[in-house]
Amino acid sequence: AQKVTQAQTEISVVEKEDVTLDCVYETRDTTYYLFWYKQPPSGELVFLIRRNSFDEQNEISGRYSWNFQKSTSSFNFTITASQVVDSAVYFCALNVDSNYQLIWGAGTKLIIKP
Amino acid sequence: EAGVTQFPSHSVIEKGQTVTLRCDPISGHDNLYWYRRVMGKEIKFLLHFVKESKQDESGMPNNRFLAERTGGTYSTLKVQPAELEDSGVYFCASSQTHWGFYEQYFGPGTRLTVT
Repeated sequence: AQKVTQAQTEISVVEKEDVTLDCVYETRDTTYYLFWYKQPPSGELVFLIRRNSFDEQNEISGRYSWNFQKSTSSFNFTITASQVVDSAVYFCALNVDSNYQLIWGAGTKLIIKP
Repeated sequence: EAGVTQFPSHSVIEKGQTVTLRCDPISGHDNLYWYRRVMGKEIKFLLHFVKESKQDESGMPNNRFLAERTGGTYSTLKVQPAELEDSGVYFCASSQTHWGFYEQYFGPGTRLTVT
């Protein structure tokens, strides 16, 4: 069975602090994809990144970075120098090669205080 | 390019009534998905269309839910009759048809409240 765990229900930091959102996944498949989505207060789910199981390279995009470690089944997301606009709910999701459905974590609500 | 659109944005109905949600995917996307987030729980997959065909409807909770995608364009999700536990946010997503798996682009969701 596949599962995604986001243990942090809510995180609150002051603007300009760095913050890491944790994601741990479970699957027995060797081919799978991991995703992060952002849900701002407006409600839509915004795609941030996709990673496949054969690519463990970390990714950096501006203030965002992702650390994928198969050894610990984790795909953590770090925001550097956080800004108020980063306030949102962030979801980690998993897809296995056998089908198209996304399996979601419960989400982490991130609050950035000015 | 227009994104995924959903209508209505919010619907409030009484238990036993019928509601139809609509999703318009990104033009050219053959894959269309429905997901649901019930209050306080994870987002759950409902079903997946490839063009007009249902590829996977394993997540549909029961036969009160009927999804269609006529002509392989927009899709509707009908709940009849609605129950209190159907309340939640219904998301639609679409993706390209391509070898491998491509990211799903989501609409803003329809918030359904059953009273």
